[in-house]
Amino acid sequence: AQSVAQPEDQVNVAEGNPLTVKCTYSVSGNPYLFWYVQYPNRGLQFLLKYITGDNLVKGSYGFEAEFNKSQTSFHLKKPSALVSDSALYFCAVRVGSGNTGKLIFGQGTTLQVKP
Amino acid sequence: DTAVSQTPKYLVTQMGNDKSIKCEQNLGHDTMYWYKQDSKKFLKIMFSYNNKELIINETVPNRFSPKSPDKAHLNLHINSLELGDSAVYFCASSQDWSPATGEQYFGPGTRLTVT
Repeated sequence: AQSVAQPEDQVNVAEGNPLTVKCTYSVSGNPYLFWYVQYPNRGLQFLLKYITGDNLVKGSYGFEAEFNKSQTSFHLKKPSALVSDSALYFCAVRVGSGNTGKLIFGQGTTLQVKP
Repeated sequence: DTAVSQTPKYLVTQMGNDKSIKCEQNLGHDTMYWYKQDSKKFLKIMFSYNNKELIINETVPNRFSPKSPDKAHLNLHINSLELGDSAVYFCASSQDWSPATGEQYFGPGTRLTVT
């Protein structure tokens, strides 16, 4: 079955330290991968995506993600965390093709950045 | 201007009632979606529409009926509400279903509580 997993329910990091939020996927064919962020009581916001090309993808707010085909991973990273980065992060993979394609979301990882 | 808006933001109702949630996007996008986020924050697609045509119906009970009067609006009507329908419902839109441009823009959500 095609799926995406976020193995950590919560990640805690001190402000100024690097952060990593993990994501692994299982899809047939080439994966189309996304990261979204959800702040409290808000809708999801797109951060970045991997479609093809460079394995390191840069996105909004200083985030980046590294696509690793051999490990089927797409971890989200930031060199220096901010308290304002504290939020719920979702990894997603697109499955299906054409107009029947859809996003499957991971279960989400809460990022807590402490001052 | 809010790109994707939903009304109402909160909806509290009793079992057995019928209710509607409205969604509008002013981004000129062709495709709109309804998602359900449960109490554990798990996010799952319910429906997608492209140019007013239903594309994805993700085995949702037929008590849920989406309607798209035009490509800027996608409403969700729910009949005979049940306790298990309590969740946050998100509307989203994208330019099209292609992953190359298909990042999705989410509304702020409607928190439905069925008592």
